Amino acid sequence: GDSVTQMEGPVTLSEEAFLTINCTYTATGYPSLFWYVQYPGEGLQLLLKATKADDKGSNKGFEATYRKETTSFHLEKGSVQVSDSAVYFCALSDRRQGAQKLVFGQGTRLTINP
Amino acid sequence: ETGVTQSPTHLIKTRGQQVTLRCSSQSGHNTVSWYQQALGQGPQFIFQYYREEENGRGNFPPRFSGLQFPNYSSELNVNALELDDSALYLCASSLTSAYSYEQYFGPGTRLTVT
Repeated sequence: GDSVTQMEGPVTLSEEAFLTINCTYTATGYPSLFWYVQYPGEGLQLLLKATKADDKGSNKGFEATYRKETTSFHLEKGSVQVSDSAVYFCALSDRRQGAQKLVFGQGTRLTINP
Repeated sequence: ETGVTQSPTHLIKTRGQQVTLRCSSQSGHNTVSWYQQALGQGPQFIFQYYREEENGRGNFPPRFSGLQFPNYSSELNVNALELDDSALYLCASSLTSAYSYEQYFGPGTRLTVT
């Protein structure tokens, strides 16, 4: 079945550092790809999405490009802030498989130190 | 625009008991999905409801059941609770159409089974 593999965490960076969180996927169809963020004690918030190959999703300084040839959707940010500390989940959705369910990676905990 | 809401926020139950969790979907959305998030893991898809019918199910036993009401709100019922059912239960609403892809999550219900 479909699956998502994320970079092992936790990740600790200093403020203003460059961030990359790796995500690769396995899918039989043509999935849409997402990054969700979860702040402590809260539910998931959609951070960005891409629905077809070579699309770039972006939001709040974060970016990710849908790379079909490498089945990847790596999350990047040029200069992180303390407020970016959270758990980040990569996910895919393939609506051709009946219900439009999301398949999540295991999450990567990010901590930014001032 | 009202977001996705869930109740209760926290719940403590004893093994063998039954529990009902509730979700109100975002205005304009017609589909509700439920996910289970164990501590330190990514969310796992339980099932999805569209137009008051189950529209897909993950790898969960029949003691996990649900309902969707005409106003698109939803309930998740779990019978014969087990210790491993302790988790954060997330509800997500979406609009099922050819051009929508996002699911929007509520804050979750934290269930503890003792």
